[in-house]
Formats: sequence, C-alpha cells, structure tokens
Amino acid sequence: GNSVTQMEGPVTLSEEAFLTINCTYTATGYPSLFWYVQYPGEGLQLLLKATKADDKGSNKGFEATYRKETTSFHLEKGSVQVSDSAVYFCALGGSTLGRLYFGRGTQLTVWP
Amino acid sequence: GAGVSQSPRYKVTKRGQDVALRCDPISGHVSLYWYRQALGQGPEFLTDFNYEAQQDKSGLPNDRFSAERPEGSISTLTIQRTEQRDSAMYRCASTPGTGQETQYFGPGTRLLVL
Repeated sequence: GNSVTQMEGPVTLSEEAFLTINCTYTATGYPSLFWYVQYPGEGLQLLLKATKADDKGSNKGFEATYRKETTSFHLEKGSVQVSDSAVYFCALGGSTLGRLYFGRGTQLTVWP
Repeated sequence: GAGVSQSPRYKVTKRGQDVALRCDPISGHVSLYWYRQALGQGPEFLTDFNYEAQQDKSGLPNDRFSAERPEGSISTLTIQRTEQRDSAMYRCASTPGTGQETQYFGPGTRLLVL
C-alpha cells in the first residue's frame, strides 16, 4: 500500500542554519511526491512537488529530490529564516487515485 | 481568484447532535477531496468526488459520516450523532482535473464535540 514516514519534530534552528526534514515513502505504481506547509493560523499550501524519479522540486529556497532508489523525498533549505517557522507535511499521490497520503508533519521553529 | 472556502470555520456541538460542514471549491474545479486531521497528525483521506459522483468513500470511518456534492460544486460533509472522537480539523481540497494534480486546500473547519 501507500504510506509516508516523516521525521518527527519538533525541529528548532537558529536563523541561517541548514534544514533537512526526512521523508520516506512506500508506494505502488508511480506516485507524485509533495511537500505542503502550514503557517500559523493558515491552511495547507503546496510548497513544492516532483512527479517522477530524479525530479527536483524547488520553491522559496526549499528543495527536494524524488529518489526512487532510496524511496525518499527529503526537504532541504540552505539558510532558514524566522518566517519559515511552520508545520511541514510530506505527501504522496497515488498513481491512479487523486487522494493524498500525508506524513504526520514536522513542526519547524526558527529563532532569530 | 477566490480559493477554496469552508464553513463554518469553527463548530462546537454537543455529543449526539448532527453537524454539516460545507466546502466551496475553486470555481470550475472537477475534483473535491475531504480529509480529517487529528491534533499532531497529518490529514487523512475521507472521501472524494469527480463532479457530482462520489469516487472513493473508503476513508469514511463509519456510517455516521456521509458526503454529497449534488451539483458538482459545493460539497457537504455530514456527521450524524456526533461523538467526542469526531473532534478534529476537517479539510477540503479541490483540483482542476483528476489524478495527481496539486490539491488546493481550504482553511478547514475545526470541530469540537463536547
């Protein structure tokens, strides 16, 4: 079946530190992979996505590469800002169905 | 343009009461999805629609939960005889077509059952 395992938080970093949030998946077929972000008091927003193996998604300085060999889609950012404080969700889209399978989320707090 | 809207944003109800949660997707979006998110967890799929047709309701936890989208636009998720364990954030999302497209989420409805 389909599932996502996401690094547990919370993660606390100082501004300009390097960020990695690990995400691994189990899937049947050829899924798409997503990172969604939830800022305080707001709904879920798409941060980036990748639709096939070796694709790299990127947005707002964040990157993630779809690694089929390691079944991973780790989120990285070279220099985090206070405004990046949010909850980050890794998600998998089934190859034939539109529904998403989410990880449990990782709370990121960035201190100035 | 307007995004996905949900109402009410917050709902407090007493155990045993019925509640109806509304989702208004982005205009023209074909597919609509309902998720439930417990505190500290990721969203879990409940059910989805293509136009007015309910596609997959395997995520509905029991027969107290039902959903409809009669005209292929606005959808209502109804929970009958609410229980305290139904307390959660209920999220709605829509996509322009079907398949592995980006899902656009609404702000959610926070349900609290006392």
